[in-house]
Order: sequence, then structure tokens, then C-alpha cells
Amino acid sequence: QVQLVQSGAEVKKPGATVKVSCKASGYAFSDYYMHWVRQAPGQGLEWMGWINPKSGVTVYAQEFKDRVTMTSDTSIRTVYMELRRLRSDDTAVYYCARDMTGDDDFDHWGQGTVVIVSS
Amino acid sequence: AIQMTQSPSSLSASVGDRVTITCRASQGIRNDLGWYQQKPGQAPKLLIFAASTLHSGVPSRFSASGSGTDFTLTISSLQPEDFATYFCLQDYSYPFTFGQGTKVEI
Repeated sequence: QVQLVQSGAEVKKPGATVKVSCKASGYAFSDYYMHWVRQAPGQGLEWMGWINPKSGVTVYAQEFKDRVTMTSDTSIRTVYMELRRLRSDDTAVYYCARDMTGDDDFDHWGQGTVVIVSS
Repeated sequence: AIQMTQSPSSLSASVGDRVTITCRASQGIRNDLGWYQQKPGQAPKLLIFAASTLHSGVPSRFSASGSGTDFTLTISSLQPEDFATYFCLQDYSYPFTFGQGTKVEI
């Protein structure tokens, strides 16, 4: 069965960098784009971007473009999301989500990674 | 960015009720819309894609319709496990944007 397992919770200081991983299993890893979505405490969902794990091509939301990098390592079936220059309002749960068909519908999600940014 | 406005933001309902949630896009998005269900402490789950296509394994009491700017999600007979927050997502243009959510409460 498809599984996306994310790395554990992180606590970071403002200005630091966080790197969240998402390890996939149960399907052909390279054939499905992976998106990242975040959710601030008690708030709605915010789309951050996607990566093609095979080619490494990425598309980022403009809001994050200068601070985010998404990468993949096909040898270990893992995608990464790195967010730099963290601010307090980056405190959120970060999810990876598999793109079901290439039409940007997210059929499987990771369990979420809590990132807390606090001095 | 395209704004997605959901209504209502919350609703109270009983088991067996018919529930309708709407999502309006600030500009036309064809049928590039999905609906997701999220329960507390869990990741969202895909219910509907392409505005009206039921995702595999989703009960048939869920249905959806719409195109262009106006979309609806309907639960024909609310079940105890349906109490959750529902989000729409437009994937027509970047950045993809979610509605603010509709919390369905008992």
C-alpha cells in the first residue's frame, strides 16, 4: 500500500533553516509528482509547490520562491522540502502529498511534520 | 492568486441530514477543483477531483458538482464519521489555493 512517512518534529530559531523529508513506499516513486502543503495552527491549508522526483523539476508558489527548495533522491525514494530564513509565522504542520494522476489531485498524504519557529 | 471562498465556515447538523457546502472561485477555474476532508490531528483526505468525480473508496453519499466559479459538495445523509472540516482546492492556476474550510459539527 502507498505510504508517505515524514521526518519528525522540529524546533527552530528565527532565521534558521529546516529540512523535512518524505519517504515513499508502495508505488513507483519516480512516476508521481509530490506536492508540499502546510497548515498553520488552527488555520487553513497553504500549497507550497511540487517536485517531479524523476527529473527534479520544481514549481514553487511565489510566496515561498526565494526561501524554499524541494529535492528528491530516487535511490532512497525520498523527497525533501527545505525552508530557509524561518520566521515565527512559518510555524505549521508541513505535509507531503502525492499527485494522483499529474492533474494535481492529492490522493495520499504524509502524516505531517510539525515545525515550530520560536526564539 | 485565485481566491476560494467557502460557505458556510461552519455548520451544525445531525446524523441523517443532507449537507451542502459551497465554494466560489474569484475567477473561472473550469472544473479544476477538488474537495478534501480533514479530521483533527490527521492529514486531509481526497474526496472528489475534477469537480465531480468521486475518488476511489469514498462513500457514494458524497457528491459534488459545479464548473467555472461555483461549486458544491453534498453529503446526502450525514454519518457520524463525516463530522470533520472540508476544504476545496483549485488546481487551475498557480499558486493553487484552498478554501478556508467548512467545519461540520454535531
